[in-house]
Amino acid sequence: AQSVTQLGSHVSVSEGALVLLRCNYSSSVPPYLFWYVQYPNQGLQLLLKYTSAATLVKGINGFEAEFKKSETSFHLTKPSAHMSDAAEYFCAGGGRRNEKLTFGTGTRLTIIP
Amino acid sequence: DAGITQSPRHKVTETGTPVTLRCHQTENHRYMYWYRQDPGHGLRLIHYSYGVKDTDKGEVSDGYSVSRSKTEDFLLTLESATSSQTSVYFCAISEGTGSSGELFFGEGSRLTVL
Repeated sequence: AQSVTQLGSHVSVSEGALVLLRCNYSSSVPPYLFWYVQYPNQGLQLLLKYTSAATLVKGINGFEAEFKKSETSFHLTKPSAHMSDAAEYFCAGGGRRNEKLTFGTGTRLTIIP
Repeated sequence: DAGITQSPRHKVTETGTPVTLRCHQTENHRYMYWYRQDPGHGLRLIHYSYGVKDTDKGEVSDGYSVSRSKTEDFLLTLESATSSQTSVYFCAISEGTGSSGELFFGEGSRLTVL
């Protein structure tokens, strides 16, 4: 079964700085990969998803992620952090079409003014 | 926003009492899921449903049961609540699975078992 690992449970960046949240997956088959964001006291919402059509995936709010098969990674980036980006971010993956998604343990992003 | 309503949103109960959480959707999606969210564990799947009366276990199903008698409703029951079941519970729905299986989440139900 697919598994995902998020490196760093807490990440702090200054407003305007690059955001980099790391996610690695483990699977021998082409994965289905997603990034979700959770704002305080809310449910998760989809940021972006990898569908094998392109290795660089653009999502909402200026976020993007690059699928790198050689590194089994799907890191999330944003060139310039905004205060409103403060939230918890979850990477999720599945290895086969009907396989249920597995979520990473989450990374809490703090933006320093 | 996806039409997903969870009830109750907050509940405090005592060990040994039964608890039922309800998820109601207005999207007519086939798949429905119950997750629990705990610090350090992310989201873990408890049970899911792929149609009316069709349900299956997830990775942390012990102590939980589910029922789906209508497309729009998915109930999660704790027959005899324990303190280890203190958590935030999320319902999610999707049209499909795999790459097409984008999940839409409810706002969560916070359960405290004393």
